[in-house]
Amino acid sequence: QSALTQPASVSGSPGQSITISCTGTGSDVGAYNYLSWYQQHPGKPPKLMIYGVSSRPSGVSNRFSGSKSGNTASLTISGLQVEDEADYYCSSYTSTNSLHVVFGGGTRLTVL
Amino acid sequence: EVQLVQSGAEVKKPGESLKISCKGSGYTFTNYWIVWFRQMPGKGLEWMGIIYPVDSDTRYNSSFQGQVTISVDKSINTAYLQWSSLKASDTAMYYCAKHHSQAMYYFDLWGQGTLVTVSS
Repeated sequence: QSALTQPASVSGSPGQSITISCTGTGSDVGAYNYLSWYQQHPGKPPKLMIYGVSSRPSGVSNRFSGSKSGNTASLTISGLQVEDEADYYCSSYTSTNSLHVVFGGGTRLTVL
Repeated sequence: EVQLVQSGAEVKKPGESLKISCKGSGYTFTNYWIVWFRQMPGKGLEWMGIIYPVDSDTRYNSSFQGQVTISVDKSINTAYLQWSSLKASDTAMYYCAKHHSQAMYYFDLWGQGTLVTVSS
């Protein structure tokens, strides 16, 4: 069982917007802004899409945005495109035992 | 080109040892921690541990402590992940990554992954 909770799947049509949630606790998501999101296409390594809750690395489309409220973070993808179909993982710094970083179980985005 | 290049896929038997590598290029290798992740088939990402190339300071996820060893050779910009006695449950894709300049808790450069298969 993953430390952070994400929905297993979400779907949307091209052009629509979707939001993926990521729920943690007061030891990770709720306590720190070291929150990031990764996109992973099949057979590929993860790609950093959002860091610091809402910042985008250079080269990442502004269709991707992040936010946080309490123990829950969200990734919103607007203007869905076929190439957005992938797995998305949230990640947070944690103060729990020896672990530095915890991940969500991942959300499969299907673009219908 | 800024990149991390990992060693190739491995097929091993239970009980065998293994050391996989991750070589950085195109950036100052000693400025960033290197992290190792495990991704079991069809599953999510797990943070295994982290190493600082300058002094080999290493931290492990307690779930992996004693099961693997992370090391680095800064003279050749290469980090390693090794097992002394593999189990079938070690079958997974393993990724290395460097952390983002903003914080050591985001990872902006990833290796292509090394698939380790352990089967009798």
